[in-house]
Amino acid sequence: AQSVTQPDIHITVSEGASLELRCNYSYGATPYLFWYVQSPGQGLQLLLKYFSGDTLVQGIKGFEAEFKRSQSSFNLRKPSVHWSDAAEYFCAVGAAAGNKLTFGGGTRVLVKP
Amino acid sequence: DARVTQTPRHKVTEMGQEVTMRCQPILGHNTVFWYRQTMMQGLELLAYFRNRAPLDDSGMPKDRFSAEMPDATLATLKIQPSEPRDSAVYFCASGLTTSGGWETQYFGPGTRLLVL
Repeated sequence: AQSVTQPDIHITVSEGASLELRCNYSYGATPYLFWYVQSPGQGLQLLLKYFSGDTLVQGIKGFEAEFKRSQSSFNLRKPSVHWSDAAEYFCAVGAAAGNKLTFGGGTRVLVKP
Repeated sequence: DARVTQTPRHKVTEMGQEVTMRCQPILGHNTVFWYRQTMMQGLELLAYFRNRAPLDDSGMPKDRFSAEMPDATLATLKIQPSEPRDSAVYFCASGLTTSGGWETQYFGPGTRLLVL
């Protein structure tokens, strides 16, 4: 069965600074990988996804993520955060069979002025 | 801008009462998922449907929870009787599955349920 670990529960970053959120997955085959963002009281919004091909994936809102098979990682990055990036971020892995998503525990990002 | 809609957005009820949550998937999407989010368990998949047929409900407590798709535009999640431990945010998501492909799931805003 697949699993996802997001090692950082909370991250505080200053506005304008760079951000990196870690995601490690466990899955026996090539995974389908996703990053979602959840603003307070809202549903989840897809930031980006990786299915195959180029291991550096660009998403919305200036985010990107890099798939590293050797490290079983799919870390999310943004060069310069904005106050509106304060939210909770979820990494998820999907298995081809059944198309079910397994989510990590989430990382809550706080942005300091 | 197509979106998944969920009703009600908030629900407060007393233990033992029946709760019905509704979801309207994005028009044309053929797969619907129900998730539950709690502080302790995070996001859990409860059940999902494809072309209105239930494919997997292994994440759902069978004795009190039921999920159905009466038609392609409506999915329901029912809890009867409700218990305080059911308090959570329930999300519906929809996607379009094609042969050999993986669908991206689009989430609704959720139903925040509080059982007293």
